[in-house]
Amino acid sequence: DAGITQSPRHKVTETGTPVTLRCHQTENHRYMYWYRQDPGHGLRLIHYSYGVKDTDKGEVSDGYSVSRSKTEDFLLTLESATSSQTSVYFCAAGTSGGIGTDTQYFGPGTRLTVL
Amino acid sequence: QKEVEQNSGPLSVPEGAIASLNCTYSDRVSQSFFWYRQYSGKSPELIMSIYSNGDKEDGRFTAQLNKASQYVSLLIRDSQPSDSATYLCASFGSSASKIIFGSGTRLSIRP
Repeated sequence: DAGITQSPRHKVTETGTPVTLRCHQTENHRYMYWYRQDPGHGLRLIHYSYGVKDTDKGEVSDGYSVSRSKTEDFLLTLESATSSQTSVYFCAAGTSGGIGTDTQYFGPGTRLTVL
Repeated sequence: QKEVEQNSGPLSVPEGAIASLNCTYSDRVSQSFFWYRQYSGKSPELIMSIYSNGDKEDGRFTAQLNKASQYVSLLIRDSQPSDSATYLCASFGSSASKIIFGSGTRLSIRP
């Protein structure tokens, strides 16, 4: 897992409640990412960060927000959870920006169920 | 059209044979390409990266890139049951810092 942890690993919540997932890395990677993985869709980028307090949207960002106040931590918040957000969420971190340096390592994942 | 496309499989290959996994991409300015392996219930693991046209070999794995045809492939020689997994193709797109993943091909190695 290249020094990337996610918490919690499993969560069951109810529709309408806010949920925060945490990603922590120990390798001082500049870039961090949140993906969701659903059957038939592969990995889809939710949000990513290219530095402390620098974030941008991915392809499925509606209903999600992120924050990165420290290099090592990247938080994903579901502002008001819906059943369509039931998924497995992966955090990733790594280098980026040039040929030969692009590498991305994944955390173990968080399985989120919204009832 | 998806930016990175893969046949979902399952692809069934006998043990000891060569498994061939294919991927096409639509963004002509993509420069970097990756193959990840994902076992059921686990996170993706990077196994190969390739940036230049041609072949790149690492042990039993060979990645092939053809930028003119926008085509990437992964060959696994001497396939083992432990190679049974889903293989994700990914490209580093023209938008900075974004790696785009295909939906994955499920590979099954039969004894």
